[in-house]
Amino acid sequence: ELKVEQNPLFLSMQEGKNYTIYCNYSTTSDRLYWYRQDPGKSLESLFVLLSNGAVKQEGRLMASLDTKARLSTLHITAAVHDLSATYFCAVDMDGGTSYGKLTFGQGTILTVHP
Amino acid sequence: NAGVTQTPKFQVLKTGQSMTLQCAQDMNHEYMSWYRQDPGMGLRLIHYSVGAGITDQGEVPNGYNVSRSTTEDFPLRLLSAAPSQTSVYFCASTRGTQEYFGPGTRLTVT
Repeated sequence: ELKVEQNPLFLSMQEGKNYTIYCNYSTTSDRLYWYRQDPGKSLESLFVLLSNGAVKQEGRLMASLDTKARLSTLHITAAVHDLSATYFCAVDMDGGTSYGKLTFGQGTILTVHP
Repeated sequence: NAGVTQTPKFQVLKTGQSMTLQCAQDMNHEYMSWYRQDPGMGLRLIHYSVGAGITDQGEVPNGYNVSRSTTEDFPLRLLSAAPSQTSVYFCASTRGTQEYFGPGTRLTVT
C-alpha cells in the first residue's frame, strides 16, 4: 500500500526566510504532484514532476523529485504572507502508470508572519 | 469552459438519508475521480472512472456508489448517510498528467 508522508505538518515562518517541505513516499513512482489549498477552497496545481531529478520553479517556490530516494521537496525562498496556505504532495497510486488515482500526503499548513 | 462543476456546494443530511453529489466536466476528459477530505488529512480516493461505463473502487469506497453513463457526468451516491461521511468531497477530471479539481461539496451528516 502506497503511503505518502509530509513533514513538517505545521510550519510557521517569518517573512523573508527560506524553508523546505519534505514529501516521502513508500513505493516507486515517476509522477509526483504539489498542490496549494487556501481555506475553504479547492486545490490549485503548483507542479507536476515526471522524472528523477526533475526540478520546477515558479516564483518563490521550487520543487524537486528524487525517485531513487522516493523524496520530493518544496523549497520556499524569501517567504511572503501570500504564501500562507496548506500544501499537499500527491503520488500516482500505480507508480506513474495510471491517471486520476492519487494518494495524498497529510498536508503542511504554512503560516508566514511579518 | 466551465471546467469541473459540483453541486450542491453545501448539504446537511440526517443519518440514513440518501443523496447524490453531482459532478460534471465540459473538457471531454476520460478520467474522473471522487475524493473526500477530512480535517488534518489529505484527500482520499473514493471511486474513479477511466471512461463512460467503467468505474472502480479507490481507497475508501464503502457507503458510496458511482456510475458513469456519459463522459461529462460522474455522480456520487450516498446510499444511507452516516456521520462518518461528514466531509468535503472533491471531484476531479484528468487530462494526461494534469488533474482538474472541482470547487467541492461540504457535507454534514447529523
